[in-house]
Amino acid sequence: DQQVKQNSPSLSVQEGRISILNCDYTNSMFDYFLWYKKYPAEGPTFLISISSIKDKNEDGRFTVFLNKSAKHLSLHIVPSQPGDSAVYFCAARSLINTNAGKSTFGDGTTLTVKP
Amino acid sequence: NAGVTQTPKFRVLKTGQSMTLLCAQDMNHEYMYWYRQDPGMGLRLIHYSVGEGTTAKGEVPDGYNVSRLKKQNFLLGLESAAPSQTSVYFCASRDNTEAFFGQGTRLTVV
Repeated sequence: DQQVKQNSPSLSVQEGRISILNCDYTNSMFDYFLWYKKYPAEGPTFLISISSIKDKNEDGRFTVFLNKSAKHLSLHIVPSQPGDSAVYFCAARSLINTNAGKSTFGDGTTLTVKP
Repeated sequence: NAGVTQTPKFRVLKTGQSMTLLCAQDMNHEYMYWYRQDPGMGLRLIHYSVGEGTTAKGEVPDGYNVSRLKKQNFLLGLESAAPSQTSVYFCASRDNTEAFFGQGTRLTVV
């Protein structure tokens, strides 16, 4: 049972346009969500996060939206740049449950931004 | 500021050989994790630690052992490597919010 799903393995957008990456989760205990970005031959790096008490968090060109009733979150990148081309992982965890802060990761979406 | 450092970066093992992957962090984090990533898949948790001297199993612990003798180090051991353990291994440590990852160890078992 995959608790965090990224249903689009890949996404291609034109430079300057919006990129929207989606993530669905099934575990209602999850209350903290993170996006990580990964370049080839490097480890993932933290991008942006959102707590379940919010429905939106913005950091520069990156905005994460959370729809708790639908158990869905999305990452918007506006405007997209070629340097944004990477694999994006959605992750979720419970802040309350005593699970040592373990995050569950989705399978990732490979974003390609074309010049 | 090195962050999280993994040693080695690459390794080829023969089936049945053993090895230890080292993870070191200099951020004084309590939580440390070992993940594996296989093609087309996300990060799967192997083992984790909530503090010095403690370890616990993740979702795919079979064939691996870990130790956290010092707060800054988290070791992942393979006692008898199998081809199914061919993967990229990532170590991470965490503060109150985000996790910081090492650059990964690419392990091939032939």
